[in-house]
Amino acid sequence: DVVMTQSPLSLPVTLGQPASISCSSSQSLVHSTGNTYLIWFHQRPGQSPRRLIYKVSIRDSGVPDRFSGSGSGTDFTLKISRVEAEDVGVYYCMQDTYWPFTFGGGTKVEIK
Amino acid sequence: EVQLVESGGNLVQPGGSLRLSCAGSGFTFSSYWMSWVRQAPGKGLEWVANIKQDGSEEYYVGSVKGRFTISRDNGKNSLYLQMNSLRADDTAVYYCARDGVERPLGYWGQGTLVTVSS
Repeated sequence: DVVMTQSPLSLPVTLGQPASISCSSSQSLVHSTGNTYLIWFHQRPGQSPRRLIYKVSIRDSGVPDRFSGSGSGTDFTLKISRVEAEDVGVYYCMQDTYWPFTFGGGTKVEIK
Repeated sequence: EVQLVESGGNLVQPGGSLRLSCAGSGFTFSSYWMSWVRQAPGKGLEWVANIKQDGSEEYYVGSVKGRFTISRDNGKNSLYLQMNSLRADDTAVYYCARDGVERPLGYWGQGTLVTVSS
């Protein structure tokens, strides 16, 4: 199975400042189609996860444009340009190139 | 509006069985892959299984293969997870999820809690 590794584990941020989360995979996530299938989720405390980004960099409908995804091959990044209070919670990456799909361990974002 | 409502979670003894259900509404159920994802208390997310629109393909995480079966009834807009030979490490909130316009897990239910304990 593909192992997904996120860093940091915890990320204290200041409101209005940028934040960045890294995600790496144990093998390339480039599919035989040529596409790369990497998803980012956000889970607020006590809530179900919400998908933010798929195929590395495509934002889901309704996701603020302060969220952006980038990367290729085995290394990926989620960036928040200016953190808002509603952005707290845990962020997960997940690869959907290979079965079984696998998640990273999560990065907890909190306000300083 | 897409809605997914899970049910069937309960306390069950090790070795026991349980069947989870997920009712979908607000969309054409038969048009989407569907998945189950679980989250143990205080832990991260684990993808469990998914099933193709017509039920012709199913995929599972290794730890549940041979014990869990995913199925669907498109006529009832429902997804199921039959869980047998349950173990303590199956204790988790189980979420039902639908593909987005593209790719998996675009919409999630609120989850149902399964506790495996004697």
